[in-house]
Amino acid sequence: GAGVSQSPRYKVAKRGQDVALRCDPISGHVSLFWYQQALGQGPEFLTYFQNEAQLDKSGLPSDRFFAERPEGSVSTLKIQRTQQEDSAVYLCASSSRLGSYEQYFGPGTRLTVT
Amino acid sequence: QQPVQSPQAVILREGEDAVINCSSSKALYSVHWYRQKHGEAPVFLMILLKGGEQKGHDKISASFNEKKQQSSLYLTASQLSYSGTYFCGTSNQAGTALIFGKGTTLSVSS
Repeated sequence: GAGVSQSPRYKVAKRGQDVALRCDPISGHVSLFWYQQALGQGPEFLTYFQNEAQLDKSGLPSDRFFAERPEGSVSTLKIQRTQQEDSAVYLCASSSRLGSYEQYFGPGTRLTVT
Repeated sequence: QQPVQSPQAVILREGEDAVINCSSSKALYSVHWYRQKHGEAPVFLMILLKGGEQKGHDKISASFNEKKQQSSLYLTASQLSYSGTYFCGTSNQAGTALIFGKGTTLSVSS
């Protein structure tokens, strides 16, 4: 079946603009994760959903970052008033199991804030 | 807290072996290994859940020493396809967050 998809693949935003990044997980996967990956670094955990419930948002760097998964499938990561330091690849991953088990990653959205 | 990986980079010729280490100053509940090729998404390799557990996947295997809070990834008879950056990740007790190390870049040449 289809893997995890993310859109857009590339996004250029001017500083101060709001952006919305979409993740379509593998159908039926209960767990969904968002990560931020800066160039040359490992993925940094942002938030975790179990179905529609956001169980862990300890990695969100500021209150400008907001994520939702209202129907337990598609998820959106929203960044308000973007700053240059928000420039990174945003990865979404899903898993058929509860918690941090085998995760299938999407191709990511590369966000560039100018 | 972020796990520490060593070495930062490894250069091999085809057929050579390599070991990548991952350690944490905090208690480890599980260790996860992923490989990421340049410009691509990370791909799951394996997860180790119990102290002393070892797992294998083709010629890639790993161990997890819970007491020492360490895990090692063993790549045997490396192939060109093994090139990439290897990340270890450690989970919190609730299993709701996965914290990755900075990665180890492996380059295999013919």
